[in-house]
Amino acid sequence: ETGVTQTPRHLVMGMTNKKSLKCEQHLGHNAMYWYKQSAKKPLELMFVYNFKEQTENNSVPSRFSPECPNSSHLFLHLHTLQPEDSALYLCASSQLLAGRHNEQFFGPGTRLTVL
Amino acid sequence: QQPVQSPQAVILREGEDAVINCSSSKALYSVHWYRQKHGEAPVFLMILLKGGEQKGHDKISASFNEKKQQSSLYLTASQLSYSGTYFCGTERGSGGGADGLTFGKGTHLIIQP
Repeated sequence: ETGVTQTPRHLVMGMTNKKSLKCEQHLGHNAMYWYKQSAKKPLELMFVYNFKEQTENNSVPSRFSPECPNSSHLFLHLHTLQPEDSALYLCASSQLLAGRHNEQFFGPGTRLTVL
Repeated sequence: QQPVQSPQAVILREGEDAVINCSSSKALYSVHWYRQKHGEAPVFLMILLKGGEQKGHDKISASFNEKKQQSSLYLTASQLSYSGTYFCGTERGSGGGADGLTFGKGTHLIIQP
């Protein structure tokens, strides 16, 4: 595997379900990100992890819970979602140098539908 | 705060030029440009840094006016492969790596043969 991979690619879940999205980066980067992309708010930053530490929570509801066990893996745990949470969820990674963001490499995304 | 992109959409014939603009109300350290084709992930094009440094593709040019907090992406002699949605992402001046990028709503570019 190369680049940034995400699983699953498609997910349909009910409002009472609990599911997790997985992201893995094979680039040796030290920062990882979750974005939400929908028709109403394209490319909306959700979470930033810098050296496994969460440094940004962009006012995301608590029904989204991120986890970064190491610098290569990032999870987004989902529970009691709402239909308006249906969107494409993109993971990205980059190499922070001197605290600055370099080019971000995006995964293919998970298309989430909440019924 | 989300940067503002203009125009929202552009339709060109192959070989024509296009300019996409990105402006912010806050002081910026850097501006990033990405292109996303339908059904695919965004792909990095270029970074413009405060102070004039640039990183990106040779065939794509861009400018960054730090005083006006604006950036423009120049696509010359457009090819069919240029079609897609272009996003600018801005990194705030405070930096530190903590706050990620904030992306604009995108500019849809359609190149016709």
